[in-house]
Amino acid sequence: DAGVIQSPRHEVTEMGQEVTLRCKPISGHNSLFWYRQTMMRGLELLIYFNNNVPIDDSGMPEDRFSAKMPNASFSTLKIQPSEPRDSAVYFCASSLGLAGALQETQYFGPGTRLLVL
Amino acid sequence: EDQVTQSPEALRLQEGESSSLNCSYTVSGLRGLFWYRQDPGKGPEFLFTLYSAGEEKEKERLKATLTKKESFLHITAPKPEDSATYLCAVQGLSNYQLIWGAGTKLIIKP
Repeated sequence: DAGVIQSPRHEVTEMGQEVTLRCKPISGHNSLFWYRQTMMRGLELLIYFNNNVPIDDSGMPEDRFSAKMPNASFSTLKIQPSEPRDSAVYFCASSLGLAGALQETQYFGPGTRLLVL
Repeated sequence: EDQVTQSPEALRLQEGESSSLNCSYTVSGLRGLFWYRQDPGKGPEFLFTLYSAGEEKEKERLKATLTKKESFLHITAPKPEDSATYLCAVQGLSNYQLIWGAGTKLIIKP
């Protein structure tokens, strides 16, 4: 399997611009997670989808952040307008997402390094 | 409140020098404890899941153990390629979310 695919791998933009990050989960996985990682705060969960439906978006920092999952094989995380404090590495992860599963391992993509100037 | 604390923050070892990393946790009922390895510029890579106290799992030079309060990642005769940041996360019974530790940065010098 190809694993979780993210694009772009690096993004440099100017404050105020719109940024769109993309993720393709592992085929057959029904759960998708967006994380943000910084030195100061470590890994933070932003939003969690199950069967393409957002289940918990309480980690989304503010209204400037939005995420969609139009189908089982694609998700986007959008920041509009972007600010310098959004600079971080954004990871997408997926898991099987089976109902009633005791636990499920999350598999991470390579991440998108975002720098907002 | 669910919490995970990893120690030490960083660990430098000579090649072949065995040691252990610690992950202390508090959670209202443990569903699973996860160990990941993260190399610079890459996403976390899954290593182990432990479910109950007394459980142990091994992979090459790594061995993970679990008690009711903490987990250890033992590294036996490490090699430079074992250098990475090791992350621990727990999942409680009442929440699907993983609670992440800050990680231990391991450096193995040849």
